[in-house]
Amino acid sequence: KNEVEQSPQNLTAQEGEFITINCSYSVGISALHWLQQHPGGGIVSLFMLSSGKKKHGRLIATINIQEKHSSLHITASHPRDSAVYICAVRSAGGTSYGKLTFGQGTILTVHP
Amino acid sequence: EAGVTQFPSHSVIEKGQTVTLRCDPISGHDNLYWYRRVMGKEIKFLLHFVKESKQDESGMPNNRFLAERTGGTYSTLKVQPAELEDSGVYFCASSDTPGLSSGNTIYFGEGSWLTVV
Repeated sequence: KNEVEQSPQNLTAQEGEFITINCSYSVGISALHWLQQHPGGGIVSLFMLSSGKKKHGRLIATINIQEKHSSLHITASHPRDSAVYICAVRSAGGTSYGKLTFGQGTILTVHP
Repeated sequence: EAGVTQFPSHSVIEKGQTVTLRCDPISGHDNLYWYRRVMGKEIKFLLHFVKESKQDESGMPNNRFLAERTGGTYSTLKVQPAELEDSGVYFCASSDTPGLSSGNTIYFGEGSWLTVV
């Protein structure tokens, strides 16, 4: 079992739908990242969270430290949101800021 | 401002050959990271440079992999000799000093796709 588990692994939605991707982790963390990778493209950092909630445009990320769980929500989804969404955590007490443990990713496809 | 750039974007080599991947971080970023994703698996951390020093190389799979960052600017990751299981995507990322407002973001390159045949 991976230290970081994402669900679902694959997600198909119709344009306009509200989307939720979940991430659960089993270790103590100091930060959690949500990343996006478009097909054939590089990785883009969407959010870094250590508590609470962050919002950027149609994207919202929440984290519950006690439950070791984070969610990424996309409101009014659009075909351009189709990508792989990756959750990654930095272990608590780590000295390397970018030493991340990654989930397997969630492949999101939004149809027009 | 240029982002993190990686070269080559794609490489196909034969088993036993040597490949060198290069990463140019964002100018001024002291922290440089290498990761890789092999087929069907999650991305894994390989190592972390702070300037020219290796801060953490706990993720390097074996001694066929050698990473350098001479002068604290660009970095290279050499695989010698390459094996079939080394095929995957090698990502580089960089970040500013942690604690600075800009230091909370990790910037990734587009990856170097390596196929060993």
